[in-house]
Amino acid sequence: QKEVEQNSGPLSVPEGAIASLNCTYSDRGSQSFFWYRQYSGKSPELIMFIYSNGDKEDGRFTAQLNKASQYVSLLIRDSQPSDSATYLCAVNSNAGNMLTFGGGTRLMVKP
Amino acid sequence: ETGVTQTPRHLVMGMTNKKSLKCEQHLGHNAMYWYKQSAKKPLELMFVYSLEERVENNSVPSRFSPECPNSSHLFLHLHTLQPEDSALYLCASSTSVRLGTEQYFGPGTRLTVT
Repeated sequence: QKEVEQNSGPLSVPEGAIASLNCTYSDRGSQSFFWYRQYSGKSPELIMFIYSNGDKEDGRFTAQLNKASQYVSLLIRDSQPSDSATYLCAVNSNAGNMLTFGGGTRLMVKP
Repeated sequence: ETGVTQTPRHLVMGMTNKKSLKCEQHLGHNAMYWYKQSAKKPLELMFVYSLEERVENNSVPSRFSPECPNSSHLFLHLHTLQPEDSALYLCASSTSVRLGTEQYFGPGTRLTVT
């Protein structure tokens, strides 16, 4: 059974700090990795995706992928209170575009 | 949110009712998905449609019946549901079902079964 694991949190960081969100996955055949942000009462919003080992940067967000360790992370630099949300890690394998989601990490950025 | 719309946004139904959820995407995508998000559980994929053909049924009970009349519209027909079916039902779309294609979500329908 394919699994995606995240620490549920809450992860609390002060405003301006770097928030580090982690995700591990069990299916070694996984090919594509996504990070979604979900505010309370809202639907998931895609913020990053990564396919290759290494880092991918987009503004204040950096996704990091290590396929050998089956580990993907999201770094948020200069965290803002508006970043407070649940961050969902999603993975799909070589079985098409079916996403398996982790349970999400709740991030709280305190002013 | 305007790329993928869902109606109704909230629905309360009894266990003997029949209702339908509607999803419409305005992105020109060819694949559409239904997900279920229950409290304290990860998002679960229910159904996948590609070019109006169902390509995945993730062991969903028959009381949930999807319908995809064209590539822009997706329905989820509900009948004789159970209280444990209360959840947020999310529709998503993508350009295709090719591996790694980004999925974009609608706002969801909050369903309560009484």
